[in-house]
Amino acid sequence: DIVMTQSPATLSVSPGERATLSCRASQSVSSNLAWYQQKPGQAPRLLIYGASTRATGIPARFSGRGSGTEFTLTISSLQSEDFAVYYCQPYNNWPPFTFGPGTKVDIK
Amino acid sequence: QVQLLESGGGVVQPGRSLRLSCGASGFTFRNFGMHWVRQPPGKGLEWVAVISYDGTKYYADSVKGRFTISRDNSKNTLYLEMNSLKPEDTAVYFCAKDMIGFFDYWGQGTLVAVSS
Repeated sequence: DIVMTQSPATLSVSPGERATLSCRASQSVSSNLAWYQQKPGQAPRLLIYGASTRATGIPARFSGRGSGTEFTLTISSLQSEDFAVYYCQPYNNWPPFTFGPGTKVDIK
Repeated sequence: QVQLLESGGGVVQPGRSLRLSCGASGFTFRNFGMHWVRQPPGKGLEWVAVISYDGTKYYADSVKGRFTISRDNSKNTLYLEMNSLKPEDTAVYFCAKDMIGFFDYWGQGTLVAVSS
């Protein structure tokens, strides 16, 4: 099974600043990687698929890059509604489906 | 718009059973695979099971032999039958629509608490 790691576990950022989150796979997943945002008490929401394609309705300040085993999610200028937990998920080879452990973005 | 609405959660004793439902609308349900994903309190996301549009099923090792995923396309409803429940099954259970391996829409979740 593919094992995903995310770093950092927690990222403290001031509103308006840039945030860069990392996701690493234990083996190549090509570009088959998705990112999700989850706010407290809510369901996850799809942000990015195909490593870099924004899902419907996702603001342009969210961008994804990478392929193979190394991926990044960048939020160019953090808004108050962006403070949340972010998960990455590979989907090149399933089952099982796996998720990274998450990165919590909180207010500095 | 796509909507997924889970129901059926609650408090149940270890060893007992529970059935979750997920009603779907806003898309052609029979054409898509559907998943159950769970999240223990304060922890990350764990995939549970998937049923494809043609009825093929896969399960996480942690629930294999105890949980059964099914669907009723005439009712646009997804189910999860959970037997022999354990305290470690305590979680919020989400249903999610499949989009070739990732999850493009999620329900709001239903809480299952397994406790004596």
